[in-house]
Formats: sequence, structure tokens, C-alpha cells
Amino acid sequence: AQTVTQSQPEMSVQEAETVTLSCTYDTSESDYYLFWYKQPPSRQMILVIRQEAYKQQNATENRFSVNFQKAAKSFSLKISDSQLGDAAMYFCAYRTPQGGSEKLVFGKGTKLTVNP
Amino acid sequence: DTAVSQTPKYLVTQMGNDKSIKCEQNLGHDTMYWYKQDSKKFLKIMFSYNNKELIINETVPNRFSPKSPDKAHLNLHINSLELGDSAVYFCASSQDASGTQYFGPGTRLTVT
Repeated sequence: AQTVTQSQPEMSVQEAETVTLSCTYDTSESDYYLFWYKQPPSRQMILVIRQEAYKQQNATENRFSVNFQKAAKSFSLKISDSQLGDAAMYFCAYRTPQGGSEKLVFGKGTKLTVNP
Repeated sequence: DTAVSQTPKYLVTQMGNDKSIKCEQNLGHDTMYWYKQDSKKFLKIMFSYNNKELIINETVPNRFSPKSPDKAHLNLHINSLELGDSAVYFCASSQDASGTQYFGPGTRLTVT
């Protein structure tokens, strides 16, 4: 079964600095999707960024970028120029391949604190 | 024009009661899901439906019964509520081609 591991239960960063959240996963598949979701105190799950495993280029979305290392099964999230609004729980997720039984497998989350 | 909506957002009830949570998506997606987030924030899939057909049932007690009256709705009915059912329940939807799942705002269920 696929598993997703986030080894940092909590992280903190100073406003305007850069922080990297770690994620590793385990799968025997070659084609899959990886996601980072953000959950602020409002509890809404917000998609931050998505990566297709077949794409070698790392995904970026404004201040958010990933370092996708397929061979190492690593998918870290870098947040640049951190803002107070970035404070939230961040979940890494693996999506099982298509075939009728797609689901997201989540890591346990990393709580990010942004200090002013 | 909320994409994925859930009602109610908060639900407080006593043990033994039966309750339902409703979910609607206006994205035209084919697949809908229910996830449970426990007190430690861990999210786990419960069910998925594709075009009103049950696809995934992840060893959830049969007190939980999803119902999909049409492609845009997926409701969750829970019988004989137990203390351990207290959690946040998220509905989500996706279009098969892209696979990205969009979540509703969650329903915080508290069983006393």
C-alpha cells in the first residue's frame, strides 16, 4: 500500500524568509500525481500545488515550488518570501493511478508557523 | 457560487442518534469522495463514487452509508452515532482526467 511520510510535525519561519517542508512517499507505480494542500485554521483544504510524476520539471505556483525527486520518492515544498497568511497545516498527498479507484493518501501534516 | 458545499458545517448530537451530512458540487465532476479527519488532523478516504456508483469503501463501519442521488450530490448518513465518530468530514470531487480533488469546507461532527 502506498504511504506518505511528513517527517516534520512542526516548522517555523520568519516572515519574508524561505522554508522547505519535506515529504517522502512509497509506491511501486510509475505514473501518479502528488499534491500539497494547505489547511488554515478555517479548516478549508486548499490546493497549493500539483506534480505529475511523468513530468521531470518541478511545478511552481507563484511563491510555492516543489523539488520532485522521483528516484528518491521525495516531494518537498518550498515557500519563498513567507507571509503571515501562509501559516497553516500543510499536507502532502499521493494520488493513486487512474483505473476507477483513485484516492488521495495523505501524510500526517506539517504545522507551519510564520513569525512576524 | 461555491464549488463544493457541505451542510451542515457543525453538527452536535448525542450517542445513538442518526444524522446525515449533505454534499453538493457544481463543477460538473464525475467523482465524489468522503474523507474523515480525526483529532490528530489525519485525513483518510472513506468512500468514493463515480457517476453515482460506489467505487471505494475503505473498511468503514456499515453504520456509515453514502448515497448519491445524482452526479452532483453525495450524502453521508451515519446510524447509531458513537463517540469515536467525532471528527471533521470532508467531501471532495474530481474530474477523472485531471485527478485534482477539490474539497468542501468540512463538517465538524461532535458526538456527546
